[in-house]
Amino acid sequence: DSGVTQTPKHLITATGQRVTLRCSPRSGDLSVYWYQQSLDQGLQFLIHYYNGEERAKGNILERFSAQQFPDLHSELNLSSLELGDSALYFCASNEGEGYGYTFGSGTRLTVV
Amino acid sequence: DAKTTQPPSMDCAEGRAANLPCNHSTISGNEYVYWYRQIHSQGPQYIIHGLKNNETNEMASLIITEDRKSSTLILPHATLRDTAVYYCIAVPTNSGYSTLTFGKGTMLLVSP
Repeated sequence: DSGVTQTPKHLITATGQRVTLRCSPRSGDLSVYWYQQSLDQGLQFLIHYYNGEERAKGNILERFSAQQFPDLHSELNLSSLELGDSALYFCASNEGEGYGYTFGSGTRLTVV
Repeated sequence: DAKTTQPPSMDCAEGRAANLPCNHSTISGNEYVYWYRQIHSQGPQYIIHGLKNNETNEMASLIITEDRKSSTLILPHATLRDTAVYYCIAVPTNSGYSTLTFGKGTMLLVSP
């Protein structure tokens, strides 16, 4: 157990639907990062939150959004889902600059 | 961020040292070298990082050349469980936060 908790572990949904992925960072970590890993794209950075504020955006689609709550957990919302959104979604947290990331075990999303 | 170059794959016999090279010839003075690994479909795992000096922890050793243009990750006694994709990443230190950009990494196969 890395200390970063992601739920659910697996999710199967239909095209056009909306889903929410949840991440609880390691205790004490203020930063949360979201990554997408599909077979043909590798690990792609989506978005970074620090203590509730958005700090950086990567290749995140407009159909996707995220937020970090006062208790530091984060949610990634994916809407109008397409087949190509099928992927592993990882969340990571760290203490801050100069510290390694700790990743969760991921959510496997399958869009059918 | 500096680009890193790694061989796509390497083989190693169980019990032997695995030496994984990484080229980062354009690295700047304020960029750390981080190593992560990902065992099939699991969340990436932090291994080690360094700036100038060689580093060692319970998992591995990191050797950085004096000119900082390349580095080598050493797993001293590889086991079957070390079979994974290994990522070498250059991360800036002066941004107040740091986003990991994963490349394709090196697929290390440890065989009996």
